[in-house]
Amino acid sequence: AQSVAQPEDQVNVAEGNPLTVKCTYSVSGNPYLFWYVQYPNRGLQFLLKYITGDNLVKGSYGFEAEFNKSQTSFHLKKPSALVSDSALYFCAARHDSGAGSYQLTFGKGTKLSVIP
Amino acid sequence: GAGVSQTPSNKVTEKGKYVELRCDPISGHTALYWYRQSLGQGPEFLIYFQGTGAADDSGLPNDRFFAVRPEGSVSTLKIQRTERGDSAVYLCASSLRGLGNTEAFFGQGTRLTVV
Repeated sequence: AQSVAQPEDQVNVAEGNPLTVKCTYSVSGNPYLFWYVQYPNRGLQFLLKYITGDNLVKGSYGFEAEFNKSQTSFHLKKPSALVSDSALYFCAARHDSGAGSYQLTFGKGTKLSVIP
Repeated sequence: GAGVSQTPSNKVTEKGKYVELRCDPISGHTALYWYRQSLGQGPEFLIYFQGTGAADDSGLPNDRFFAVRPEGSVSTLKIQRTERGDSAVYLCASSLRGLGNTEAFFGQGTRLTVV
C-alpha cells in the first residue's frame, strides 16, 4: 500500500538557520512527490514537485527538496529560515488507483516554527 | 476564477441534517478532487472527477457521502444524515488534466462542524 511518513510532528528552527522537514515514502512504481504548505485558515499551497530528472528540486519561496531513491526520502530544505515560513507542511505522493486515475496520499504534516 | 473557490467557508449543522458543500475549480481544469482533513491529520482522498464523471470514488467513507459535477465545472459534495464524526475540513482541488505531470491547486476548504 502507498504511504507517506513525516516522522516529526513539529520542527523548531531559529530564524536565519537552515531548515529541514523530513519525508519518507513507500510507493509502487516511479514516485511522483510533492510538498504543500498550509498557513492558518488558508488552503494548501503547492511548493514543489519531483517527477523525474535532477534529484534536487527547487520550488517556491526559496524552498528545495532532495529526492533520494535509496533512502526513499524527499526532505524539504531551505538554506535560511524566515519567521514567515512558520506553517504546516505536507509531503504527498501520487498514487495510481487504476485506469489512469491518480490521487495524492498525504503525510500527517509537520508544523514548522521559526523562532525570531 | 483565479483560484479554487469553496463555499461556504464554515458550516455548522445539527446531527442528522443534510449538507451540501460547493467547489468552483480553476477555469479549464478538467480534474477535480475532494479531500477531507481531520484535526491533526493530512488530507484524505474522497473522490476524483475527470470531466463530469467520477473516475474514482474509492475514498468516500460510506453511502451517506455523494458528489456530483454535472457540467464538468462546479462540483457539490453532499452528505446525508450527518454525524459528529463527519466534522472536518473538506478540501477541493483541481488540476489541468489530472496528476499525470501537473500539480493540484487547493481551495481554502469548508470547515464542517456537526453538533
